[in-house]
Amino acid sequence: AQTVTQSQPEMSVQEAETVTLSCTYDTSESDYYLFWYKQPPSRQMILVIRQEAYKQQNATENRFSVNFQKAAKSFSLKISDSQLGDAAMYFCAYRTQQGAQKLVFGQGTRLTINP
Amino acid sequence: DGGITQSPKYLFRKEGQNVTLSCEQNLNHDAMYWYRQDPGQGLRLIYYSQIVNDFQKGDIAEGYSVSREKKESFPLTVTSAQKNPTAFYLCASSILGLAGVLGNEQFFGPGTRLTVL
Repeated sequence: AQTVTQSQPEMSVQEAETVTLSCTYDTSESDYYLFWYKQPPSRQMILVIRQEAYKQQNATENRFSVNFQKAAKSFSLKISDSQLGDAAMYFCAYRTQQGAQKLVFGQGTRLTINP
Repeated sequence: DGGITQSPKYLFRKEGQNVTLSCEQNLNHDAMYWYRQDPGQGLRLIYYSQIVNDFQKGDIAEGYSVSREKKESFPLTVTSAQKNPTAFYLCASSILGLAGVLGNEQFFGPGTRLTVL
């Protein structure tokens, strides 16, 4: 079974600075997807960024980018120019390509932005 | 607007009662999922369904039941057998298989907060 680990329960960053959230996962599959979801105080889950395992190029979405290291099974999220609206819980998730393509979530990292 | 709706937003249950959480989607997605979120934890999968009239247990299915009579609807019943049901419940849906840019993303509803009195 796949597992996802986020080793940083909490992180904080100064507004306009850069922060990196860590995620590692365990799988024996070669083809899969990885995601970062954001959950603000409203508790609505919002997709931040996705990465296909077969792509070597790291995904980027505006101020959000990932560092995907397939061999190391590492998938970190970098947030540049942090804004107050980035404050939220961030969840790393793994999705298999098999069957119902379930999501397996990490425990989450609570990100605080200091003004 | 396309999306996923969950109702009610807040739900209170007395000991021994069954309660049903509603989840509806108009995205024409094949797959639907129910997750449970406890404080300080990630989401855990309760049940999922890939097609109408078929569903499978997730990692924590005990004390829960579901039905999938329509593609758009996937209600979750929390039975009296669930000993610790107080949690936040999230419903999600997705397209199955490779489907272009939006393939493989799960879209989430706004959630239902269930509290046992």
